[in-house]
Amino acid sequence: AQTVTQSQPEMSVQEAETVTLSCTYDTSESDYYLFWYKQPPSRQMILVIRQEAYKQQNATENRFSVNFQKAAKSFSLKISDSQLGDAAMYFCAYRNRYGGATNKLIFGTGTLLAVQP
Amino acid sequence: GAGVSQSPRYKVAKRGQDVALRCDPISGHVSLFWYQQALGQGPEFLTYFQNEAQLDKSGLPSDRFFAERPEGSVSTLKIQRTQQEDSAVYLCASSLGGLGGGLAYEQYFGPGTRLTVT
Repeated sequence: AQTVTQSQPEMSVQEAETVTLSCTYDTSESDYYLFWYKQPPSRQMILVIRQEAYKQQNATENRFSVNFQKAAKSFSLKISDSQLGDAAMYFCAYRNRYGGATNKLIFGTGTLLAVQP
Repeated sequence: GAGVSQSPRYKVAKRGQDVALRCDPISGHVSLFWYQQALGQGPEFLTYFQNEAQLDKSGLPSDRFFAERPEGSVSTLKIQRTQQEDSAVYLCASSLGGLGGGLAYEQYFGPGTRLTVT
């Protein structure tokens, strides 16, 4: 079974600074997707960024980028130029690319990010 | 267009009561998922529908939990004889495609229903 681990329950960053959130996962599959989701207090889960495991190039979306290390099964999220609106719970998630009876997401336990003005 | 909506947003039930939680997915979305999010935890998968077919219910914690999507659009998650351990946020998500193809169809989440069992 696949698992996702986020070892940082809470992180804090100064506005305009850079922060990195860590995520490791375990799977025997070779082809899969990895995601970072943001969940503000409103509870609406929002996709931040996605990485296909078969792509070597790290995904980037504006101020958000990932460091995907497939051999190490590591998938960290870097937020540059942090803004007050980035404050939220961040979840790392995994999904198999093929097979099975579902496209379910497997989530980590989350990292609560605080942004200090 | 409208996103995924869920109702009610908050539900308080006395232990032993039955509850029904509704999810309206994005129009035209084939896949629908239910997740349970306990306080301070990540969401955990409950069940999956492709159109009206429930293809995976492996995450339902007990036979008190039942989900349906009879016409392939709106879905209802029903919990019978609620227990305190059922207190959680129940999230619904929908995505455009179904299984196969290996495409990473994005899952769009609703705001969730916070269920408190007293």
